[in-house]
Formats: sequence, structure tokens, C-alpha cells
Amino acid sequence: RKEVEQDPGPFNVPEGATVAFNCTYSNSASQSFFWYRQDCRKEPKLLMSVYSSGNEDGRFTAQLNRASQYISLLIRDSKLSDSATYLCVVNRYNSGGYQKVTFGTGTKLQVIP
Amino acid sequence: DTAVSQTPKYLVTQMGNDKSIKCEQNLGHDTMYWYKQDSKKFLKIMFSYNNKELIINETVPNRFSPKSPDKAHLNLHINSLELGDSAVYFCASSHAGLANRAHEQYFGPGTRLTVT
Repeated sequence: RKEVEQDPGPFNVPEGATVAFNCTYSNSASQSFFWYRQDCRKEPKLLMSVYSSGNEDGRFTAQLNRASQYISLLIRDSKLSDSATYLCVVNRYNSGGYQKVTFGTGTKLQVIP
Repeated sequence: DTAVSQTPKYLVTQMGNDKSIKCEQNLGHDTMYWYKQDSKKFLKIMFSYNNKELIINETVPNRFSPKSPDKAHLNLHINSLELGDSAVYFCASSHAGLANRAHEQYFGPGTRLTVT
């Protein structure tokens, strides 16, 4: 089983729709979580961190469910500019105390006019 | 100002050659990383350095040798290039993720390596 798993999509949604992605992780020792966004032929960029209590940034809401070991990203009122691949990132710490970063394979979102 | 820069942006070379990719960050971070993103878009960490010291070395052939002359630079040298090395290589940096405080990573624009 992969350490971090995402549905690759693509998710094709109309403008204005609400779309949600999930990401599951296998290592219960994982401690911090992020969503990154990667546009075609570009580098990944941080979208938002995921806090235990859940957090919201404008149209974006991230949730963490430690019991079921998944994180989610909800995008409301989708815009054409939201079209991208969304990467789930899970961090845990190695024996030296340094963060070990694992990226999911990404979920592709295409927002259609 | 570019935060994390990589050179070259594109690299086309033949099998068996040796090549290097350079990375520099001006963010004052003390941790730098190399990632490989293959044709299936899977982003996999290769190496992580903290203060010029190797802290993570994933299962990577020893043809790949990172070198960190100082905290702001992490170069990647690849010997005897193979067809399967064709991918996009991303450099990234962050503050050290110590004491259970993870920090976001800033990525360079990537180096698209094609081995023919």
C-alpha cells in the first residue's frame, strides 16, 4: 500500500461547482499535512496547511481526520483558474527528528466553462 | 527575485554521459531537497540536506550524487545517464522541519532532463 494515496481523476466540473478531494495516508505516525497545487509544466506551490481543527482560506477548506487517516480539500465556487493538479503532502519525522516528506500522486481538476 | 533557482531549465543528452544540475536558494533556508517527477507525474523525494549534511537518501542509484557546498546550494550530479533518468527534477528548500513543526517547501522551476 502506498504511503499516500489520491484519486488521480481527472475531475471535470463546471464553473461554480463545489468539488472535494480526499487523500489517505497509511502511517499513523504522520504528523503534519499540506495541500500543494501544481499547474501544468510548473513547480508545486503550497496551497494550504491542514490543521487538526480544520481550516479555511477563502473558497478552500481543508480537513484532517486522524482516526480514519485521511485529509480532504473542498473547493467551493470553482473558477477556471482552479484547474490544476492538487497534491497531498504528508510529513513524519525520521529517527534524527527531521521531517520526511511524502507527496501523493495528485488529483487533476479541470474546471469547464 | 527568484527564491529557488535551477540551471539548466532543459537538458538533452545522450545515454552514458555525465551531467550536473545546479540549485540555489536565497530564502535563508537550511534544508534543501531534490525530487524527481516522472512521466506519470509522481513526485518522489531523492535527497534531503540540512546545513550541508545529508539527512535523507531515498532508494536512488549511486549514479546520483548530491553536493552541497553551502546552505544555499544543492547540486545534483548524475553519472552514466540512462533512458529511465528522463524526468523533471525539482529542487526545493524549507526551514528545518524539527521539533514537530513542519515547514512548507519552496520549489524551483524544475529541470527537464531528456536522455536519448
